[in-house]
Amino acid sequence: EVHLVESGGGLVQPGGSLRLSCATSGFTFSDFWMTWVRQAPGQGLEWVANINQDGSDTYYVDSVKGRFTISRDNAKNSLYLQLNSLRVDDTAVYYCARDRGGSGWSDHDHWGQGTLLTVSS
Amino acid sequence: DTQLTQSPSFLSASVGDRVTITCRASQDIRTYLAWYQQKPGKAPNLLIYGASTLQSGVPSRFSGSGSGTEFSLTISSLQPEDFATYFCQQFGSYPLTFGGGTKVEI
Repeated sequence: EVHLVESGGGLVQPGGSLRLSCATSGFTFSDFWMTWVRQAPGQGLEWVANINQDGSDTYYVDSVKGRFTISRDNAKNSLYLQLNSLRVDDTAVYYCARDRGGSGWSDHDHWGQGTLLTVSS
Repeated sequence: DTQLTQSPSFLSASVGDRVTITCRASQDIRTYLAWYQQKPGKAPNLLIYGASTLQSGVPSRFSGSGSGTEFSLTISSLQPEDFATYFCQQFGSYPLTFGGGTKVEI
């Protein structure tokens, strides 16, 4: 069974940094693109970034470019999101998700339970 | 960016009702569209991909249609467990984007 478990969320001051992790199991991690999606409290979903199978190709939404970095460790079956220069409007539940398709243009068929990041002074 | 406009944003319905949610894209995305269901405090769950293909394990009362810029999700007979928020997502161009959501309530 496919499992994705996020961790690393918490309370951070504006301007701070944090790294989110997503531990996966139940599938061959290195075969799939992976994605981060976030959801601000009471709001809709926002796609944040994705990464290809070997980590050589990444894409970001404009609002996080230059501040967030997506990465992966295929040996550890883990996905990461490094968040720098955090802003209050980065407050959200961050979900990791597996891309169903084999390209970077895909929906997401498995999701973690999410980890809450709160950016506040 | 490709904007997705869902309507309605809120829908009140009864068990057994046929319900249709629409999603309009600001540019042609062919059939690069998915639908998700999200319940409070839970992660989204993929229902439909490729605009009309039912994800494995999803009940057949859910169906999707459309291509280009106009899409719809239909629930043929609403069940108590279907009361939730539904989102469309396009993956035809970057950045991938989601619609604003449709909350289906009793």
